[in-house]
Amino acid sequence: GAVVSQHPSWVICKSGTSVKIECRSLDFQATTMFWYRQFPKQSLMLMATSNEGSKATYEQGVEKDKFLINHASLTLSTLTVTSAHPEDSSFYICSAPLAGGPNEQFFGPGTRLTVL
Amino acid sequence: DAKTTQPTSMDCAEGRAANLPCNHSTISGNEYVYWYRQIHSQGPQYIIHGLKNNETNEMASLIITEDRKSSTLILPHATLRDTAVYYCIVRVAGGNQGGKLIFGQGTELSVKP
Repeated sequence: GAVVSQHPSWVICKSGTSVKIECRSLDFQATTMFWYRQFPKQSLMLMATSNEGSKATYEQGVEKDKFLINHASLTLSTLTVTSAHPEDSSFYICSAPLAGGPNEQFFGPGTRLTVL
Repeated sequence: DAKTTQPTSMDCAEGRAANLPCNHSTISGNEYVYWYRQIHSQGPQYIIHGLKNNETNEMASLIITEDRKSSTLILPHATLRDTAVYYCIVRVAGGNQGGKLIFGQGTELSVKP
């Protein structure tokens, strides 16, 4: 099946710093990618849709100025958590759909962010 | 997208079939039923999807009722590695915005020796 990677797999940072997370589709192109956040013992929450060549679409309640998304190419989307605070500590997961038909999505392994 | 209802948790003995139910009584005619699972601290994994016919692949079988208001995911011979949270999602297939997945709480399946 198609492979999606994320980097880094985990990161620890100080409060107030910015953290960039990369999501790559390794063997297919993705004009759209999705970013999710998951807190402990909870389900995945969709944050935004990343669109290649245009602005991301954010879900209601997600601050676009805090979670900057850049879909630089057909295989790369980045999520930057700006001025991170402890409440931003979470498991961030990206996904990319395989085009054509009732396209299933392929998920990255996730990035564990801990803000001290 | 239609809402789904799943039991919070289920247990299954290793080697036995695991049958995970999902209710989606408000499903529309153009919405598919998708199943994903998430093993602890990993990204979700696609399992199977279907529209109205029963489907089978190397991982599982999907049984959709004739009225499409419910479905059952079947893992024919559950192993300890199948312990995970299983998500049933209903959505329109294809497109960009139509591709986004809205996750419910899922069913936490525990496979026991």
